[in-house]
Amino acid sequence: SQQGEEDPQALSIQEGENATMNCSYKTSINNLQWYRQNSGRGLVHLILIRSNEREKHSGRLRVTLDTSKKSSSLLITASRAADTASYFCANRGASGGSYIPTFGRGTSLIVHP
Amino acid sequence: KAGVTQTPRYLIKTRGQQVTLSCSPISGHRSVSWYQQTPGQGLQFLFEYFSETQRNKGNFPGRFSGRQFSNSRSEMNVSTLELGDSALYLCASSPGTSGRAYNEQFFGPGTRLTVL
Repeated sequence: SQQGEEDPQALSIQEGENATMNCSYKTSINNLQWYRQNSGRGLVHLILIRSNEREKHSGRLRVTLDTSKKSSSLLITASRAADTASYFCANRGASGGSYIPTFGRGTSLIVHP
Repeated sequence: KAGVTQTPRYLIKTRGQQVTLSCSPISGHRSVSWYQQTPGQGLQFLFEYFSETQRNKGNFPGRFSGRQFSNSRSEMNVSTLELGDSALYLCASSPGTSGRAYNEQFFGPGTRLTVL
């Protein structure tokens, strides 16, 4: 089973509103990353937060990490129609001695103009 | 720098055939990973190569195999195709891999495989 799970599965908002999506994971991590995927395309790396960090900003993005709850959140402020995409969290978990990169199922964000 | 390139972009095969997909990483990147993405299972890790050696492998049958060449280019092969192999296959490169550290990955546009 995948280690990361995003919540909600789908989010529909109006342009200018903020969008918040959450991610939970199961094992200890070195870092956690967020990616964006436009429909049927490759993933684009958005931001990486290390396990010793609690919050990180990049432009309109704000990521928080709570290692005690094994959860992270991605906030997109002042959303734009171009932010419409699926958002995934990812980390590397251990499986049978090897370290498997695992992605959640993603949050599908639709921003209406 | 040029991004990760994958060829072909689209492919249609029939059950029982085999297929080879190609990935050229970003210049200087030595790690290449492959993923399968389907609506039902999401994004699943296939394998990771670093300096021509397979470093990690996901939970896929032996019909799925891969290799990496000395120039870091990578290929993956799927033999005896099944309908369920229809998916978007994504390749990602990163500068390197080190134990549990998970480096930022740069993804290619993917190869859309349809098995009829």
